[in-house]
Amino acid sequence: DAGVIQSPRHEVTEMGQEVTLRCKPISGHNSLFWYRQTMMRGLELLIYFNNNVPIDDSGMPEDRFSAKMPNASFSTLKIQPSEPRDSAVYFCASSSTFTQPQHFGDGTRLSIL
Amino acid sequence: AQKITQTQPGMFVQEKEAVTLDCTYDTSDPSYGLFWYKQPSSGEMIFLIYQGSYDQQNATEGRYSLNFQKARKSANLVISASQLGDSAMYFCAIDTGSARQLTFGSGTQLTVLP
Repeated sequence: DAGVIQSPRHEVTEMGQEVTLRCKPISGHNSLFWYRQTMMRGLELLIYFNNNVPIDDSGMPEDRFSAKMPNASFSTLKIQPSEPRDSAVYFCASSSTFTQPQHFGDGTRLSIL
Repeated sequence: AQKITQTQPGMFVQEKEAVTLDCTYDTSDPSYGLFWYKQPSSGEMIFLIYQGSYDQQNATEGRYSLNFQKARKSANLVISASQLGDSAMYFCAIDTGSARQLTFGSGTQLTVLP
C-alpha cells in the first residue's frame, strides 16, 4: 500500500517567493496533519483536518501560512511570501481513527535563501 | 494541554544489548494514546509502537516494547537485541481525546555501537 506522499522532497527558493507543499494522504484516512520540524523548536503541529475540514490551525505561525484540503486525497500548505526563518522540514501525516497511529510522509526539506 | 518529557538527549548501547529510552507525560485527559516514532538520519518518521491509556497490557511490537506505568505517567520504550540499524532519533508523543494532534518530546538520539 502507498504511504503518505509528499512533494517536493526538497525545495530551495529565494525569500519573498511563494512556496507550495503538497500531500496525498493514505487512502481511507480521514485525518490529515501538517507538522514543521526545526532544530530549535522540534516537531510542531501547524494545522489538522478531519474529513477535509480544518479543525485546529492554532499552530500556523502567521498569515503568510495557509493550508487547504479540497478533497480527501490532496492537501496543500502554502507560504506567501516566504522568509528565511521558514526554512525547516515540513511533514504531512494521516490517520484513521483516534487509536490508530499517524503515518508520516518523507517530508519536504525547505530552504529559503 | 499535554506535555512529553524525554530527559535523555543521547544514549549509547552496545550491539545486541537491550536499551530503555525514557518518556514521561503530563495530561489531564483520562483518555490518551502514547506513541513512539523513529527518525533515522535519512529524515523520515517511522511509527514503532502505540499504547492506549486504558490498555491493560504493555504494548509489544517485535523487538520493541513499551513499559507503561500509568501512575508514574511514564511510557518508556525498550529495544531488545539492539542492531546497528537502530541508531536514530526516537520521539515519544501523546494525543488525547480532546486534542487529536500529537505532541512530541524533544527526542533521544540513540547510537548503537558495534
